Amino acid sequence: EVQLVESGGGLVQPGGSLRLSCAVSGFTFSTYWMSWVRQAPGKGLEWVASIKEDGSEKYYVDSVKGRFTISRENAKNSLYLLINSPRAEDTALYYCARDGGKEAMTYWGQGTRVTVSS
Amino acid sequence: EIVLTQSPATLSLSPGERATLSCRASQSVNSYLAWYQQKPGQAPRLLIYDASNRATGIPARFSGSESGTDFTLTISSLEPEDFAVYHCQLRINWPPVYTFGQGTKLEI
Repeated sequence: EVQLVESGGGLVQPGGSLRLSCAVSGFTFSTYWMSWVRQAPGKGLEWVASIKEDGSEKYYVDSVKGRFTISRENAKNSLYLLINSPRAEDTALYYCARDGGKEAMTYWGQGTRVTVSS
Repeated sequence: EIVLTQSPATLSLSPGERATLSCRASQSVNSYLAWYQQKPGQAPRLLIYDASNRATGIPARFSGSESGTDFTLTISSLEPEDFAVYHCQLRINWPPVYTFGQGTKLEI
């Protein structure tokens, strides 16, 4: 059974930092791109970042470039999102998803909530 | 930047009726479109990928189509469990970035 379990969310002050994690099981993690997608309260979905199978390529939505860093540890079947200098508008539920490219995002976690507030 | 516009924002129908949801891209690029269903308190669920391919386990009443920059999700006969929010998602072939529409709420 495929499982994606996010953790690490919480309350963070503007200008602080937070690292989200996504633990994966049930498929060969090292052979898939992975992505983070977020959803602000009462809003739609927003793609945040994606990372290639071996971590050699990373892509971000413009609003987080230079502040967020996506990474992965294939040996630990884990995906990460480092959030630096968060802003109020980064408040959202953050999902990790298996990125199938043409086959889209087949599997999603249940999300971890990030609240940016002083 | 490509923008995806979903319409209508809200669609009110009854079980047994046919639902037609639209998603329009602001420009034509080499890309792939997907549709997701999301119920309150749940993660999105993939319904359709590459515009017209049903994901594993998705009932045949769900279908997708495309015409140029216009994409359509059709639910042929609504079941009670189909009332949810539907999101379209475009994946640009290169660089591999994504954009989502703002969502359509399908309500009874």
